Amino acid sequence: GENVEQHPSTLSVQEGDSAVIKCTYSDSASNYFPWYKQELGKRPQLIIDIRSNVGEKKDQRIAVTLNKTAKHFSLHITETQPEDSAVYFCAASIYGGSQGNLIFGKGTKLSVKP
Amino acid sequence: SAVISQKPSRDICQRGTSLTIQCQVDSQVTMMFWYRQQPGQSLTLIATANQGSEATYESGFVIDKFPISRPNLTFSTLTVSNMSPEDSSIYLCSVPTGLTEAFFGQGTRLTVV
Repeated sequence: GENVEQHPSTLSVQEGDSAVIKCTYSDSASNYFPWYKQELGKRPQLIIDIRSNVGEKKDQRIAVTLNKTAKHFSLHITETQPEDSAVYFCAASIYGGSQGNLIFGKGTKLSVKP
Repeated sequence: SAVISQKPSRDICQRGTSLTIQCQVDSQVTMMFWYRQQPGQSLTLIATANQGSEATYESGFVIDKFPISRPNLTFSTLTVSNMSPEDSSIYLCSVPTGLTEAFFGQGTRLTVV
C-alpha cells in the first residue's frame, strides 16, 4: 500500500521568510496530492492540492510542486505570517478511483515568529 | 463544500464501555471515511463506510473493535467498543467532494479513563 513520508517534523521561520515542506510517496498509482492545515483543536482543512497531470500549482502565497518521476511533492509558503503557524499534513490518494481515501504524512509543525 | 455534522464533539468514557459517533452529511455521498488522530499524531484511516455493503477496514483495525453502520447515503456511525485509555483520540469522518478528496467533520475528541 501507499506510504507517505514528510519532512521536517518541525519548522521554525521568521515572519516574512519562506517555508518549504517536503513529502515522498511510494505508490506510483497515486495521482492526487492534497495539503491540509490543522490549527490547534480544529479539523484539518484543505489549503491546496495538485493532481498528477500538472507539475506546479499556485494560490497566492502558497504553491505546491510535484515530481512524478521522483515521487515527491512539496509545499512552499512565501512571506510567512504568524497566522500560518499550524500543523501541515501532506497526503496521497488515487483520486476518483474505487479508493478515495487519503494516506497522510506525519505532519510538520510550522512556527512563524513575529 | 459539504456540511458535516459530527456528534458528539467530545466525550469522557469509562474503560470497558462503548461510544457511538454519528456523522451526518447534507448531501448524498457514495463513500464516507473514518479516521483516527491520536494525540499529537497524524491521521490514520480506520475504514471506508460503503452504503449497502460492509465497511472496508484498514490494516490494524477490526470490525469487532470499530463496528460501522451506513444505513443511507447521508449518514454513518462508528462505534468504539470495549474502550481502553489507548483509544483516547480524535475521531473524524470525512466525505469526498467535488473540490477535495476529503472534507472533514469537526471531529470527536474521546478521552477514556
